[in-house]
Amino acid sequence: SQKIEQNSEALNIQEGKTATLTCNYTNYSPAYLQWYRQDPGRGPVFLLLIRENEKEKRKERLKVTFDTTLKQSLFHITASQPADSATYLCALNNAGNMLTFGGGTRLMVKP
Amino acid sequence: NAGVTQTPKFRILKIGQSMTLQCAQDMNHNYMYWYRQDPGMGLKLIYYSVGAGITDKGEVPNGYNVSRSTTEDFPLRLELAAPSQTSVYFCASSYSITLSLAGVYNTGELFFGEGSRLTVL
Repeated sequence: SQKIEQNSEALNIQEGKTATLTCNYTNYSPAYLQWYRQDPGRGPVFLLLIRENEKEKRKERLKVTFDTTLKQSLFHITASQPADSATYLCALNNAGNMLTFGGGTRLMVKP
Repeated sequence: NAGVTQTPKFRILKIGQSMTLQCAQDMNHNYMYWYRQDPGMGLKLIYYSVGAGITDKGEVPNGYNVSRSTTEDFPLRLELAAPSQTSVYFCASSYSITLSLAGVYNTGELFFGEGSRLTVL
């Protein structure tokens, strides 16, 4: 069956460190993968898209990698700040070109 | 720019009641979606629409109905509410993401509303 897995346990890190979140998938062949940020009580907000032919994408302190052999995407936040605390969702396109979302990982950055 | 607007933000229903969640977008997006999100779970696609007059089922459509008479509006109808429909509902919209042999033309990012929290007792 198709699955998108993100670590359901919260990731706690110290301010200034690099946070690394993982998104693994099985039985998908996505053309692209997206990452969203969701704050409590709010709707998700788009952060980055990475295509299947791209290994890495950067935007300010964010970096996303996409390994189609490992079927994995890594999401990095460098020099993390307490304001980065949120839930981060990965999403990839399925056969109907609709997005399917993972369960999200909650990141807590402590001062 | 309002973006995607959902109403109501909160609602409590009794089992068997019906209601409509409203969604409107002012970005002239052709694609619109309804997702539900349960605690600790990912967003599950209920229904989607690729343009006015066209709707299709997503992953979890049972117990819901939609219509898309205009580009701007995409209401979600719950008939005979059940406790299993207690959830947070998100409406979203996007431009169509165009794929080609050369790659993706645009990001196809989804713009989400703030959500409607529904409790069925």
